[in-house]
Amino acid sequence: GESVGLHLPTLSVQEGDNSIINCAYSNSASDYFIWYKQESGKGPQFIIDIRSNMDKRQGQRVTVLLNKTVKHLSLQIAATQPGDSAVYFCAENLPGNQFYFGTGTSLTVIP
Amino acid sequence: DGGITQSPKYLFRKEGQNVTLSCEQNLNHDAMYWYRQDPGQGLRLIYYSQIVNDFQKGDIAEGYSVSREKKESFPLTVTSAQKNPTAFYLCASSIVSGGPHEQFFGPGTRLTVL
Repeated sequence: GESVGLHLPTLSVQEGDNSIINCAYSNSASDYFIWYKQESGKGPQFIIDIRSNMDKRQGQRVTVLLNKTVKHLSLQIAATQPGDSAVYFCAENLPGNQFYFGTGTSLTVIP
Repeated sequence: DGGITQSPKYLFRKEGQNVTLSCEQNLNHDAMYWYRQDPGQGLRLIYYSQIVNDFQKGDIAEGYSVSREKKESFPLTVTSAQKNPTAFYLCASSIVSGGPHEQFFGPGTRLTVL
């Protein structure tokens, strides 16, 4: 299958700071990307998505950036809060509606 | 409330036994998926179904079986042929028409083989 990798397995930030989580994908045919948040022992929760015809999309406190030239995706969380502590996954969609998921980055927010 | 439910939350199995994990959704989604999650690894696709009475193998289907007799239900059976079944199992569903859409996940079932 296609690989979806994350540059850092763990990330620690101070409460109130901004967080940036990165993801590299390998298939240039991928046309849709999602960021998920997963708390311990729970199922992944949708955060934000972006299609390949866009390079930026903003939600509430979150922004996703897509750089198709270098096949890179990032998730920015503004004013990080303790409740943001979780594992964050990047997922890429290939034609056929299958998703491939990265291993995840564990975000820890320090109060 | 609309969503996906999985049961049980925890499941213990003796070696040599088959067990079935339940997944139900009331989102009226056509597609349903089963993933396996192991520590330090991304989600791996076991089986998926885009329509009732049809399903396809994912990347790690060996030792598993599914059925899709109803749109809202997609049970997964972990058979005795699965050599290392201890894992966290996640069910998901999504809309199919109109291009790719996000997958909505259930709360998961943690299976432990004793």
